[in-house]
Amino acid sequence: KNEVEQSPQNLTAQEGEFITINCSYSVGISALHWLQQHPGGGIVSLFMLSSGKKKHGRLIATINIQEKHSSLHITASHPRDSAVYICAVTPSGTYKYIFGTGTRLKVLA
Amino acid sequence: EAGVVQSPRYKIIEKKQPVAFWCNPISGHNTLYWYLQNLGQGPELLIRYENEEAVDDSQLPKDRFSAERLKGVDSTLKIQPAELGDSAVYLCASSLGDLGRGETQYFGPGTRLLVL
Repeated sequence: KNEVEQSPQNLTAQEGEFITINCSYSVGISALHWLQQHPGGGIVSLFMLSSGKKKHGRLIATINIQEKHSSLHITASHPRDSAVYICAVTPSGTYKYIFGTGTRLKVLA
Repeated sequence: EAGVVQSPRYKIIEKKQPVAFWCNPISGHNTLYWYLQNLGQGPELLIRYENEEAVDDSQLPKDRFSAERLKGVDSTLKIQPAELGDSAVYLCASSLGDLGRGETQYFGPGTRLLVL
């Protein structure tokens, strides 16, 4: 079993829909990261969380440390949001990123 | 501010040939990472540098892979000889320092390698 699990693996939505991507992890962490990767492109860091909730534009990330769970929400989704969204955790006391396998999102116009 | 720069962006070689990738991290970032990403998978760490010192190369296949970070800035990753299974995206990332506090890593665009 992977230490970081994401769901769903693939997601297709219509433009304007509210989207949720989930991430569960099994280790103690100092931080959780949400990353975005466009096809053929590099990885962009969206959020780094250690507690609570963060918002940036139409993106909202939440984390529940007790339940070892995080969600990434996209409000009013747009075709340009189509990308792979990757959850990564930094285990406590380490530098490492442990990556999930990603959620491939496609938003249709 | 310039991001992490990698070159080349794409490389096609025949098996058994050598290949090298180059990375220039964000200015002032002491920590540099090389990752390998297979299609549909998350990145896997190959090696991490703190300045010029390789502090974690436990996942680097040392029989064919080598890396260096002379002067603690730019880094090169080399494969010699390349095998078909090395086809992947090689990502470089950098961060300010290794404080074990979950610092943000900044990723380059990657080098997409195809071994024929």
